Amino acid sequence: EAGVTQFPSHSVIEKGQTVTLRCDPISGHDNLYWYRRVMGKEIKFLLHFVKESKQDESGMPNNRFLAERTGGTYSTLKVQPAELEDSGVYFCASSTRQGARETQYFGPGTRLLVL
Amino acid sequence: AQKITQTQPGMFVQEKEAVTLDCTYDTSDQSYGLFWYKQPSSGEMIFLIYQGSYDEQNATEGRYSLNFQKARKSANLVISASQLGDSAMYFCAMRALNSGYSTLTFGKGTMLLVSP
Repeated sequence: EAGVTQFPSHSVIEKGQTVTLRCDPISGHDNLYWYRRVMGKEIKFLLHFVKESKQDESGMPNNRFLAERTGGTYSTLKVQPAELEDSGVYFCASSTRQGARETQYFGPGTRLLVL
Repeated sequence: AQKITQTQPGMFVQEKEAVTLDCTYDTSDQSYGLFWYKQPSSGEMIFLIYQGSYDEQNATEGRYSLNFQKARKSANLVISASQLGDSAMYFCAMRALNSGYSTLTFGKGTMLLVSP
């Protein structure tokens, strides 16, 4: 079974440009999460999809970030326009509902550098 | 709100020795789950072990065990017989189960280096 995959693995863009990150969850996982780790800080939650619906987007930093999950399969996270403080590692995770023992499986992350 | 504290930015251990990575947490929820993830240099986050707040026994998974002390709000990861491949960043995380959310709250991580 393939794990969570993310594309691209690295992205270097200039301030003001747009970047779109993609996440393919484990097949059959209804839950999809986005997290971000800024250098030296904790990994922070961004948002949570259940199938194609946004369950919780309380962690989204501002309206420059737009996440979608059309069809309830893969998800994209677009940053437009990118700012310097958006640099970091963006992780995607997926899970199936298993009650109290829900385990989120993470992808390798996308390393974003905004210059 | 939940908070995870990992006070050790880095740890060194010799191969075949045991090592304990510290994690303390803070939450007002009575029902919660604690997780440890490993992030090797390749970048992926690998799930290691889970402990539920109502689990009476400490969780174990192979060479990994979780020293869960509920009264102290600590959930330390113990790696027995360290191997070179254990060198990685280790993250402690928690999820409150009664808040209706599934989000994980992470600590800053501990970098473990295993020497020959």
